Amino acid sequence: AQRVTQPEKLLSVFKGAPVELKCNYSYSGSPELFWYVQYSRQRLQLLLRHISRESIKGFTADLNKGETSFHLKKPFAQEEDSAMYYCALTAGGAQKLVFGQGTRLTINP
Amino acid sequence: DVKVTQSSRYLVKRTGEKVFLECVQDMDHENMFWYRQDPGLGLRLIYFSYDVKMKEKGDIPEGYSVSREKKERFSLILESASTNQTSMYLCASSPSGGQDEQYFGPGTRLTVT
Repeated sequence: AQRVTQPEKLLSVFKGAPVELKCNYSYSGSPELFWYVQYSRQRLQLLLRHISRESIKGFTADLNKGETSFHLKKPFAQEEDSAMYYCALTAGGAQKLVFGQGTRLTINP
Repeated sequence: DVKVTQSSRYLVKRTGEKVFLECVQDMDHENMFWYRQDPGLGLRLIYFSYDVKMKEKGDIPEGYSVSREKKERFSLILESASTNQTSMYLCASSPSGGQDEQYFGPGTRLTVT
């Protein structure tokens, strides 16, 4: 079965510092990986997906198949990045997402 | 813009009551999903549907059922609410295909007393 693990429930960094939110997955094939974000009082929304290789709001994520990881990174954190972040995957063409436990990111001024 | 709406933002029900949570999407999406969101557990899939009148169990279907009579509407039913079903319930929709973005509703916070 597929599994997504986000080892940090809480992460706090200062504004301007680099940010890395960790995500590890277990799946024997080639998964599709996503990061979703939920800002305060807003609905959950897609931040980025690995197949599009985009940088959204300064965030990037690289799929490392050897380490089965998809860590989310940003070189300089901003206060508006404070939110709940979820890593998720789909596998084998299935429509359903498997989510990690989530990491609450707080950016301190 | 895709719009997914849920019938209630907050709901308080008593143990044993039958509860209906409604979700409507306006983008003609094939897939619809019901999740529950709990701190420390993330989002867990309860049921999903890839077509009208079709449904599949997710990871935690016990105590829940669903109905999809029309493409745009997906209902979650708690046959006999229990206190351990107190949670935030999120509905989502997506076009067909596993790589497609899921669009989420605002959520319904259900409290069962």
